[in-house]
Amino acid sequence: AQKITQTQPGMFVQEKEAVTLDCTYDTSDPSYGLFWYKQPSSGEMIFLIYQGSYDQQNATEGRYSLNFQKARKSANLVISASQLGDSAMYFCAMRGPGFQKLVFGTGTRLLVSP
Amino acid sequence: KAGVTQTPRYLIKTRGQQVTLSCSPISGHRSVSWYQQTPGQGLQFLFEYFSETQRNKGNFPGRFSGRQFSNSRSEMNVSTLELGDSALYLCASSLEGRDFSGAFFGQGTRLTVV
Repeated sequence: AQKITQTQPGMFVQEKEAVTLDCTYDTSDPSYGLFWYKQPSSGEMIFLIYQGSYDQQNATEGRYSLNFQKARKSANLVISASQLGDSAMYFCAMRGPGFQKLVFGTGTRLLVSP
Repeated sequence: KAGVTQTPRYLIKTRGQQVTLSCSPISGHRSVSWYQQTPGQGLQFLFEYFSETQRNKGNFPGRFSGRQFSNSRSEMNVSTLELGDSALYLCASSLEGRDFSGAFFGQGTRLTVV
């Protein structure tokens, strides 16, 4: 079975600072994908970034980067230069091979202050 | 390219009634998945459809059902509504569903059962 753990219920950061949201995972599948989603108060789940288990380099998408440490089974999201609009819930998720569902963590609420 | 469209955005129903939610995936996407999000249980997988066939099903009672049409649009139905069915229902679409590409979500349907 796959499991995602997000140990930070809430994080607080000032505008323009960088912030790291933690995510650890557990799976016995040799190949898998890791995802981060942002959920504002409106409810929509916004896809941010993806990392494949065999990718050699850490994924980056604009201000988002994924710090992938396979041996430690961690996939932390780094947001550089935080903006007020980054305030939201952030979910880490994973998917195994085949017709498997996305497994989500419990999320981290990020609050960015001016 | 239009995103995932879910209708309606909000619903209020009475216990015992039934409800149908609709999801139109991104054009070209053939896999549609449904998730239930509640404060207590987090994000839970309901089912996944691909080419009008249910490929994967989560651990929900038979009151929860779904279908997919030839144009990939999907509907989910909940019969004999219970108070505990109050939740945000999210639909996600992806190209094939079995790969590790991102699943893209709609804005969700917020169902309240009174």
